Amino acid sequence: GAVVSQHPSRVICKSGTSVKIECRSLDFQATTMFWYRQFPKQSLMLMATSNEGSKATYEQGVEKDKFLINHASLTLSTLTVTSAHPEDSSFYICSSQGNLGDTEAFFGQGTRLTVV
Amino acid sequence: QKEVEQDPGPLSVPEGAIVSLNCTYSNSAFQYFMWYRQYSRKGPELLMYTYSSGNKEDGRFTAQVDKSSKYISLFIRDSQPSDSATYLCAMRKAAGNKLTFGGGTRVLVKP
Repeated sequence: GAVVSQHPSRVICKSGTSVKIECRSLDFQATTMFWYRQFPKQSLMLMATSNEGSKATYEQGVEKDKFLINHASLTLSTLTVTSAHPEDSSFYICSSQGNLGDTEAFFGQGTRLTVV
Repeated sequence: QKEVEQDPGPLSVPEGAIVSLNCTYSNSAFQYFMWYRQYSRKGPELLMYTYSSGNKEDGRFTAQVDKSSKYISLFIRDSQPSDSATYLCAMRKAAGNKLTFGGGTRVLVKP
C-alpha cells in the first residue's frame, strides 16, 4: 500500500508553545489529507480536511485558529497546534487519499503530543 | 444513535481460532467499506477495502458486506498473537471522501 510518513512520532512541549506536525505522502499525490485526533481507547475523530492549495475544512467544534492546517503541496500537509494546553494532549493522525475518488485512505504513524 | 456501530470488546480468543468482527450502519449512502488494524500508539493500517456486497478474501482475512442488512464483517482465520490489536471498520459514501469510523474492537489472541 501507499506510504504516508508522519513526523514527529512523539513530542513533549510546554504550555503556551506551538507544535508542528508534518504529514507526507511519499509515493502518490494527495489532493486531500485528513487530520484526526484519537483519545485513549476511542476511535478516530476527524478534525479537518486539508485540500491542496485551498483552505482546510474544519469539523464542527474544532477551532481553526488553534489547529492551523497548511497543505502547500500535493505531498505535504502540516498541522500546527498553537498555544498548546494540557487538554490538547492526544494522539494526532493524518491520512491521505489519492486523486481518484474511489481510492482508499492510508494513514500516517501518528503523533503523540504531550503538553506539560 | 451513531452512524456506525461496533462492539468495543475486548474479544479474547485462543491462538488458531477464528476471529469474527462486525459493524452495523444506518446510512444506506455508504458504498465503500474498509477494515483497519491499529496497534497501540500506531496509525491504522488498511487490511481490506471493498465496494460491493459479497465476500473478499486476502490471505487469512475475509471481508463480507451485506448492504441489504447494512452489516459488514471481518473474519481472521488461524489467528496469531500478533493479530492482537484494535480493529476499526470504516465506510465512505460514493460522493466525497470522508470516512466514518466505528468505535473499534479490541482483540486479544492468547498463545
